[in-house]
Amino acid sequence: GNSVTQMEGPVTLSEEAFLTINCTYTATGYPSLFWYVQYPGEGLQLLLKATKADDKGSNKGFEATYRKETTSFHLEKGSVQVSDSAVYFCALSGNTGNQFYFGTGTSLTVIP
Amino acid sequence: DAGITQSPRHKVTETGTPVTLRCHQTENHRYMYWYRQDPGHGLRLIHYSYGVKDTDKGEVSDGYSVSRSKTEDFLLTLESATSSQTSVYFCAIRVAGQGDSYNEQFFGPGTRLTVL
Repeated sequence: GNSVTQMEGPVTLSEEAFLTINCTYTATGYPSLFWYVQYPGEGLQLLLKATKADDKGSNKGFEATYRKETTSFHLEKGSVQVSDSAVYFCALSGNTGNQFYFGTGTSLTVIP
Repeated sequence: DAGITQSPRHKVTETGTPVTLRCHQTENHRYMYWYRQDPGHGLRLIHYSYGVKDTDKGEVSDGYSVSRSKTEDFLLTLESATSSQTSVYFCAIRVAGQGDSYNEQFFGPGTRLTVL
């Protein structure tokens, strides 16, 4: 079946530090992969996506590369800001696209 | 925000009472979803709809029912609320068809439900 595993948090970083949040997946066929971000009291917002192997999704300084050989989609940012403090969710959409599968979320706090 | 609203935004109710949550969208998307969000579990799919009167179960559908009598509204009903259904509920739509946003999900602002 389909599933997503992401690193547990919480993660606390100093401003301008490098961020990596690990995400691995299990899926049949050719899923699409997503990172969503949730700010306090809000719904989830799409951060970036990749639809096929070796695609790199990027947005707002965040990047993730779809690695089929390692079934991974790790989120990275070179220099985090206080405003990046949020919960980050990795997700996949299966072959049919009808259902999405989410990881448990990783809470990030960036301190000045 | 893809024109998604949820109502109510907050609700406190008592065990055993029926509760209906409403999701409304303005962009005529075919696919709509209900999730619940709980600490340590991320988002879990309750039910989804792929058209008017067409619905299917997700991984945590027990104790929930849904209805979709028109494209813009997707209702989630707890027939007899229990404390284990205390959660934050999110509605989402999926963009189908072609285009840059194909297969992306967009979420509503959520409903915080407390069952006492």
